[in-house]
Amino acid sequence: QVQLQESGPGLVKPSETLSLTCGVSGYSISSDYHWGWIRQPPGKGLEWIGTIYHSGITYYNPSLKSRVTISVDTSKNQFSLNLTSVTAADTAVYYCARQLWFGDEWGSWFDPWGQGSLVTVSS
Amino acid sequence: DIQMTQSPSSLSASVGDRVTITCRASQSISTYLNWYQQKPGKAPKLLIYAASSLQSGVPSRFSGSGSGTEFTLTISSLQPEDFATYYCQQSYSTLWTFGQGTKVEFK
Repeated sequence: QVQLQESGPGLVKPSETLSLTCGVSGYSISSDYHWGWIRQPPGKGLEWIGTIYHSGITYYNPSLKSRVTISVDTSKNQFSLNLTSVTAADTAVYYCARQLWFGDEWGSWFDPWGQGSLVTVSS
Repeated sequence: DIQMTQSPSSLSASVGDRVTITCRASQSISTYLNWYQQKPGKAPKLLIYAASSLQSGVPSRFSGSGSGTEFTLTISSLQPEDFATYYCQQSYSTLWTFGQGTKVEFK
């Protein structure tokens, strides 16, 4: 059974870089699948941040693209999110998830999700 | 971006009620539409993928339908554990987007 777990600082100062890691157990990232990051500001809806394939191919939300980097470390079976120049608007619960992508036949969805990591941007 | 709009934003219902949530896309997305359930303090959980396919382990009282721009999630008989917020998500575009959510509350 695939399980994901986010880790990283819960507090980041404005203008600094938010860094989170998603550890994957029960499945080897290097085998297949895409892996994504999604965030949810307190009391608000879900926003897709970006996705990475095990080969390193990435897809980013254009609204965040200039500040986001997602990378994969197959040796540690984990993938990471870096978001630079953060502001209070980046305060959110950050989720990592496996993204199943079946192209034209079925589309793509997120399953399962990690439990989420609250990151607060404040001085 | 493909905008996803859910209605209603919230609803009140009782155990045993039939509940229907609508999700509309700003352009046709064929059947590339998924539904998630989120309970307070928890991560979203996949319910339905590709508009109408029930995810393994999800009770059969949940069903999805629709294509093009209009989709529905139906709970045939609401159970106490179904009080939650529901989100739709499109995968027609690689700029994956979610609806704003529909909160199902106890009447």
